[in-house]
Amino acid sequence: DTGVSQNPRHKITKRGQNVTFRCDPISEHNRLYWYRQTLGQGPEFLTYFQNEAQLEKSRLLSDRFSAERPKGSFSTLEIQRTEQGDSAMYLCASSLQTGFHTEAFFGQGTRLTVV
Amino acid sequence: AQKITQTQPGMFVQEKEAVTLDCTYDTSDQSYGLFWYKQPSSGEMIFLIYQGSYDEQNATEGRYSLNFQKARKSANLVISASQLGDSAMYFCAMREGISGAGSYQLTFGKGTKLSVIP
Repeated sequence: DTGVSQNPRHKITKRGQNVTFRCDPISEHNRLYWYRQTLGQGPEFLTYFQNEAQLEKSRLLSDRFSAERPKGSFSTLEIQRTEQGDSAMYLCASSLQTGFHTEAFFGQGTRLTVV
Repeated sequence: AQKITQTQPGMFVQEKEAVTLDCTYDTSDQSYGLFWYKQPSSGEMIFLIYQGSYDEQNATEGRYSLNFQKARKSANLVISASQLGDSAMYFCAMREGISGAGSYQLTFGKGTKLSVIP
């Protein structure tokens, strides 16, 4: 059991640059979620995939944010034209499609700092 | 209105003592699930315990138990025999049901920072 893996763990970027984060879920999990966590807050839901289909993306913070999950395996989250307000921890989670009682397993997150 | 409210920003507990972390929730759904996660300084969210809205018994997992009071909409986490390794942020979260199909996202509270004192 390798767990949910996120890369990179830390990213420092200049304002205006694009960044991309990768998430590798637990292999048999078909649901994948992205969350954002700012300092002093709980994680905030961004988007959700079931296999390769992105079933919910209305919570993405702006059109600068996009996510993909080609072939239903790993996922990427891209932020274009980064702003200082994008500085946060970006968490990925995965789960099995067995009902809403099923817990989500989280990765260790990617901490983004925009300077 | 906040869907999940954790009123204790920080808590201290003596090692080997029990501690209760408060969580109240707001939903109009009949079907929902309540979760507690632990987040150590490494950042990973670790699942601790789950309580379903129709579960009649309070959930227990080892040293963790959930004091579920449905009428009061509260789901407090009780940690017995605290250990130094329990020092972390603790988040209460809810997954609400949608049209019987189940929902997907978790809604989290702001968390409680627990510090265990030797």
